[in-house]
Amino acid sequence: RKEVEQDPGPFNVPEGATVAFNCTYSNSASQSFFWYRQDCRKEPKLLMSVYSSGNEDGRFTAQLNRASQYISLLIRDSKLSDSATYLCVALGGAGSYQLTFGKGTKLSVIP
Amino acid sequence: DTGVSQDPRHKITKRGQNVTFRCDPISEHNRLYWYRQTLGQGPEFLTYFQNEAQLEKSRLLSDRFSAERPKGSFSTLEIQRTEQGDSAMYLCASSLGGGAGQPQHFGDGTRLSIL
Repeated sequence: RKEVEQDPGPFNVPEGATVAFNCTYSNSASQSFFWYRQDCRKEPKLLMSVYSSGNEDGRFTAQLNRASQYISLLIRDSKLSDSATYLCVALGGAGSYQLTFGKGTKLSVIP
Repeated sequence: DTGVSQDPRHKITKRGQNVTFRCDPISEHNRLYWYRQTLGQGPEFLTYFQNEAQLEKSRLLSDRFSAERPKGSFSTLEIQRTEQGDSAMYLCASSLGGGAGQPQHFGDGTRLSIL
């Protein structure tokens, strides 16, 4: 079982749609969680950190449920520029600073 | 540009050769990380430095791989006797010290192709 699992997609949605990505993690000691965005053949870029209280950044909302070991990302009013692969990431527990990435979910926003 | 810088961007070499990559982190960041990414996968952790000390190493880091950060600034990753399975994107990241919530910022990566 992979430590961080995501639906690989692809998700093909029209402009303006709302899309939700889900992710589960297996290491209950993981301390911090992030969503990264990766464009084709580019480096991952931090989209947002994820907190238990939930957090919002413009059209993006992230949620963490530690009891269920579940993370989500909601994108509202999708733009063409949102097309990318979204990587769910957990930071290892017990003093570890290694990031564990999911395989990523590919999003294509269609005109 | 004050982001993480990696060199070279691309490296093509024959199987069995040695290769070395360089990473310059964001200047005030004391933590530096190396990851490897193959097609269709997320990045996989290789190793981590805090200042000049190498504090974590993945099982993926075989004895053919060695990483250094001698002065706590730039880092090098060397692969000896390269194999075709080493073909991947090698990503460097850096972060501030402090708590575990500090996000890691990635460089453009070095794409390695083994012929």
